[in-house]
Amino acid sequence: DAGITQSPRYKITETGRQVTLMCHQTWSHSYMFWYRQDLGHGLRLIYYSAAADITDKGEVPDGYVVSRSKTENFPLTLESATRSQTSVYFCASSGWSGSNEQFFGPGTRLTVL
Amino acid sequence: ELKVEQNPLFLSMQEGKNYTIYCNYSTTSDRLYWYRQDPGKSLESLFVLLSNGAVKQEGRLMASLDTKARLSTLHITAAVHDLSATYFCAVDWDSGGYQKVTFGTGTKLQVIP
Repeated sequence: DAGITQSPRYKITETGRQVTLMCHQTWSHSYMFWYRQDLGHGLRLIYYSAAADITDKGEVPDGYVVSRSKTENFPLTLESATRSQTSVYFCASSGWSGSNEQFFGPGTRLTVL
Repeated sequence: ELKVEQNPLFLSMQEGKNYTIYCNYSTTSDRLYWYRQDPGKSLESLFVLLSNGAVKQEGRLMASLDTKARLSTLHITAAVHDLSATYFCAVDWDSGGYQKVTFGTGTKLQVIP
């Protein structure tokens, strides 16, 4: 499918488990982002990537790990999930064409019990 | 660090009325974006404003950018129920490396028939 996809769309896990959220885009955009959205906090940037093998921390990176071995994929791993990581996670991408307009995936709703 | 403030945070308005959502930001930028998010859905790009004085219109929505005042407005004309959503502004800024994008906290718009 063309565009940006995320999987799984819903995930329930337990405290302490490792969880990986997948993000795939077909536009060959250079930049990719992971956000979490919580009531009262808006969108907060977790990590971003400017290109394959180039990643950097955002506003709330603790407890998360990312990698980007291929341009089209940007997985987000929660190494040991905590209840505070219950949230909706959005992946986004942008391709520099004079702007940083971002295109968002459908989101993953993660619940940590 | 850039701060992006939207007001109001919540807006309930009747169909047919006009209103304006404001987005103020704290540092120099000449690129600003507006997004729409329907309940339980992802974010969708509405407008890309790339210079001082830029104005974009789509249907009943019009966005403008005043970089000198560090202010963008999203004007709603003759609101209809279908416009009910949360609207986010996002500002491009130079963090010393990658051009970062910071989102406002969002304005939840409820249009009452």
